[in-house]
Amino acid sequence: SQQGEEDPQALSIQEGENATMNCSYKTSINNLQWYRQNSGRGLVHLILIRSNEREKHSGRLRVTLDTSKKSSSLLITASRAADTASYFCATPIIQGAQKLVFGQGTRLTINP
Amino acid sequence: GAGVSQSPRYKVAKRGQDVALRCDPISGHVSLFWYQQALGQGPEFLTYFQNEAQLDKSGLPSDRFFAERPEGSVSTLKIQRTQQEDSAVYLCASSRWRERSNQPQHFGDGTRLSIL
Repeated sequence: SQQGEEDPQALSIQEGENATMNCSYKTSINNLQWYRQNSGRGLVHLILIRSNEREKHSGRLRVTLDTSKKSSSLLITASRAADTASYFCATPIIQGAQKLVFGQGTRLTINP
Repeated sequence: GAGVSQSPRYKVAKRGQDVALRCDPISGHVSLFWYQQALGQGPEFLTYFQNEAQLDKSGLPSDRFFAERPEGSVSTLKIQRTQQEDSAVYLCASSRWRERSNQPQHFGDGTRLSIL
């Protein structure tokens, strides 16, 4: 079972453009995480946003969280070819649980 | 420092054989997770250890799957009598632990298991 669902499933943009990916989830959460996965590799943690935060930045990444809509977005600004990867959101199955549930991911392709 | 290491990277087995997948977590990480990832999908939780204690094994698909972490560091995921549907990438992740708080998980590159 998957808690989060990413939208779109695939996104292809030109280098230098901004990329926005969305995630919706079903249950109450105390935090939400975003991960990146390059082909054939493991996942890399990008950012964790807590339920009392609305927005968080890390370099070219901007994450928003709307707990009333049970949704989050990941914005990558000034995209680069190296940003080509799959991006997943993950939430704890229940508040306080260590177990994370991942969405199906957004496959992002940056065209040079 | 060293990241999470998984071995082997690739494993091919015949249906019915037993396989063992190894995970070396980051030193000092209390929490250890196993996930199964099908092609084009997100990781699906299998099991969770806090030190040597297996606190959650709700994601193990059948009693053919068994995981252990006897000394609270290295973990092994064993699959007995493998079936074709077991073909997937098996990911291991470790993290620090804080009560009632999720910590970033650090993933290995996974073991790609193919059952013929």
